[in-house]
Amino acid sequence: NAGVTQTPKFQVLKTGQSMTLQCAQDMNHEYMSWYRQDPGMGLRLIHYSVGAGITDQGEVPNGYNVSRSTTEDFPLRLLSAAPSQTSVYFCASRQGGYGYTFGSGTRLTVV
Amino acid sequence: DAKTTQPPSMDCAEGRAANLPCNHSTISGNEYVYWYRQIHSQGPQYIIHGLKNNETNEMASLIITEDRKSSTLILPHATLRDTAVYYCIVRGTTDSWGKFQFGAGTQVVVTP
Repeated sequence: NAGVTQTPKFQVLKTGQSMTLQCAQDMNHEYMSWYRQDPGMGLRLIHYSVGAGITDQGEVPNGYNVSRSTTEDFPLRLLSAAPSQTSVYFCASRQGGYGYTFGSGTRLTVV
Repeated sequence: DAKTTQPPSMDCAEGRAANLPCNHSTISGNEYVYWYRQIHSQGPQYIIHGLKNNETNEMASLIITEDRKSSTLILPHATLRDTAVYYCIVRGTTDSWGKFQFGAGTQVVVTP
């Protein structure tokens, strides 16, 4: 099992550009989430999904879209990148009763 | 409203036990206490969780007070690799797994 795979690991965007952060898990987990982490701060929940076709907003959803067409994939789309979206993005999927398993992160810089 | 309160930072000597406190005075009967840690630049890692009994695994021990208003994560023999931010999270069995939220955590620095 690869666990939770995030791509790309690093990305630089210009203000106004759009892009999709990819997240895939091969553990057949029902729940998946996206978090962002700004320097020196904790993780903040962006969007989450409780199963294929079902998504909902977290604490900081503005400027991001998600979809969950399959159990395995949960992409995060930045609609029009802004410098305030410079952050490290973590995708996670639920590991049974133990809470979440996290990916290694995507480091995004918006200039 | 935050469900947990943790000290922002603490130091620990290598080889000694590290005792990390967490206050969750408003915890209700069906809420579990989870602990995660995040080593610099990596994704958070699950450590342990419990409801009311003390729990132990290969990484740590979790001690929950009888009134469940606080808990302590114990790293029995801290190593330099245990330097990380440790998060204490409370989650109820009826809460959506989707809304698994982290607070600020405790920055633990293990020194030689």
